Amino acid sequence: QKEVEQNSGPLSVPEGAIASLNCTYSDRGSQSFFWYRQYSGKSPELIMFIYSNGDKEDGRFTAQLNKASQYVSLLIRDSQPSDSATYLCAGCTQGGSEKLVFGKGTKLTVNP
Amino acid sequence: DAGVTQSPTHLIKTRGQQVTLRCSPKSGHDTVSWYQQALGQGPQFIFQYYEEEERQRGNFPDRFSGHQFPNYSSELNVNALLLGDSALYLCASSWGGTGELFFGEGSRLTVL
Repeated sequence: QKEVEQNSGPLSVPEGAIASLNCTYSDRGSQSFFWYRQYSGKSPELIMFIYSNGDKEDGRFTAQLNKASQYVSLLIRDSQPSDSATYLCAGCTQGGSEKLVFGKGTKLTVNP
Repeated sequence: DAGVTQSPTHLIKTRGQQVTLRCSPKSGHDTVSWYQQALGQGPQFIFQYYEEEERQRGNFPDRFSGHQFPNYSSELNVNALLLGDSALYLCASSWGGTGELFFGEGSRLTVL
């Protein structure tokens, strides 16, 4: 069973802090990884994707991928109350297939 | 630019009934995927349509079927509804095999 595991949280951080969200995956064939944000009652919204080992930065968000350790993370700098949501990690099981395997999500609360 | 649109947004059915959910992809997208998201869980892949054919299928029974039309819109049909089919059904569109999915707001199905 190809799985993506996330700590379900909840994770609570003060406003302005760095939030660190983690994800591990079991399928070594996974080629690319995606982080989605989902507000309560809403649909998932793509934040970032990463294909290569290392870090990828986009504004306040940094995605990190370590294929040797089968580990993906998302850092949110200067966390804001509006970042409070569930963050879903997903792996693409085959290159270009667009079939995503999602984790259960980590609920993040940013306290003012 | 219209995003992914789904209908209906909410519906209530009873066990044994059948349901059809509809999806129009984002402009320029040719691939439609359907996901089921139970409460507190990550989305689970049902199937994917490309060029009016089912290209991939997840671990769902044959009660779940779909269709894609020449204009790329899609339908998800579920027969013989069970209580366990109650969930948010998400349609996602994409293009180019990048794995970047854009989700609609979902159809929330309640089976009584």
